[in-house]
Amino acid sequence: QTVVTQEPSFSVSPGGTVTLTCGLSSGSVSSSYYPSWYQQTPGQPPRTLIHTTNIRSSGVPGRFSGSILGNKAALTITGAQPDDESVYYCALYVAIGIPIIGGGTILTVL
Amino acid sequence: QVQLVESGGGVVQPGRSLRLSCGASGFTFSRHGINWVRQAPGKGLEWVALILCDGSNTFYVDSVKGRFTISRDNSRNMVYLQMNSLRDDDTALYYCAAWGEWGLEVPQEYFQHWGQGTLVTVSS
Repeated sequence: QTVVTQEPSFSVSPGGTVTLTCGLSSGSVSSSYYPSWYQQTPGQPPRTLIHTTNIRSSGVPGRFSGSILGNKAALTITGAQPDDESVYYCALYVAIGIPIIGGGTILTVL
Repeated sequence: QVQLVESGGGVVQPGRSLRLSCGASGFTFSRHGINWVRQAPGKGLEWVALILCDGSNTFYVDSVKGRFTISRDNSRNMVYLQMNSLRDDDTALYYCAAWGEWGLEVPQEYFQHWGQGTLVTVSS
């Protein structure tokens, strides 16, 4: 069974830079998995941040960027803001019609 | 603006059935696959099912295969999730999420738009 892995938690100082990663239990992540990233704050539905590895969705600030780092997908926040404190999920398209969502990373900004 | 509005959630006993609905507006519904994604209380997101643009193909997470059925009515911009033989671990907030637009030069394989969710509680 394929599992998408994410760090359970991460901390960043205001103004700092943080990189969250998204891996596969079996194998490497590449752009062919169409990595996407979502931000969720308490009581709200997810918000789409990044898709197709590095394309920002409409209205997403430029401090959010996506990439492939080594064998994982990555979400980098450059110049973190207090409002960025959220849970971040990645999703990988592992087969036709089958997206798998990672367990999420709780990001603390302090 | 884009809207996805879920309905049909509620409290249901184990083993019973429930049908969720999702109404869409503000985008070309027939060009998007539609997913159901759920979130158990205090837990992460879990993809449940996907139906492609014309309804010709459906896909499910293993835990709901044979129990849940996703369908759509493009004439009404509606998607449904028929949930049978419900179990305690189906308790969750169920989100309707539009997949990326079909037919573009670069495949759009991601959850593009999200609804607010409808809560399903399975309890005796």
